[in-house]
Amino acid sequence: AQSVTQLGSHVSVSEGALVLLRCNYSSSVPPYLFWYVQYPNQGLQLLLKYTTGATLVKGINGFEAEFKKSETSFHLTKPSAHMSDAAEYFCAVRANNNDMRFGAGTRLTVKP
Amino acid sequence: GAVVSQHPSRVICKSGTSVKIECRSLDFQATTMFWYRQFPKQSLMLMATSNEGSKATYEQGVEKDKFLINHASLTLSTLTVTSAHPEDSSFYICSASGGGAGDTQYFGPGTRLTVL
Repeated sequence: AQSVTQLGSHVSVSEGALVLLRCNYSSSVPPYLFWYVQYPNQGLQLLLKYTTGATLVKGINGFEAEFKKSETSFHLTKPSAHMSDAAEYFCAVRANNNDMRFGAGTRLTVKP
Repeated sequence: GAVVSQHPSRVICKSGTSVKIECRSLDFQATTMFWYRQFPKQSLMLMATSNEGSKATYEQGVEKDKFLINHASLTLSTLTVTSAHPEDSSFYICSASGGGAGDTQYFGPGTRLTVL
């Protein structure tokens, strides 16, 4: 079975600073990996996904993530944080079926 | 991108009543729909997976008789919380995949259920 660990339940950065949200996964088969963002009282919006091919994946809103098989990681980054990036971020892993497992989430706070 | 809607967005009901939540894929045919539950400041927990025209598959610990799921068409799934109690109060989120959306799950905006 697959699982996801998100390191840090809360990350705080200053506006304009680098954003780094950590995600490590466990999967017995080549995984599909996802990052979703959730704003208060809303559903999840897909930021980006890795399936196969290029390991550096670019998503919406300037976010990107790199799949590192040797480290079983899929960390999310953004070079310069905006106030509008403040939200809850979820990493998820899916094996070769529809069974998707989510991490516990990381709340990103952006300070002015 | 693929759009999934949920209705209602917020519902308050009395203990003992039943509540139906609808999940619709607006611009693609969803062969599979998922229902999640999210408690405050926690992650999403998968409740069940439903494929159009067949019975839903429930996760361990989820009462199938309490959380009735129907996926009668390729664009609509419903979750009915029967005989709701205050502990059923939660944020319920559906997602859909299949058809033009491929394998990726697209999420609805969620339904906040409060049981008094």
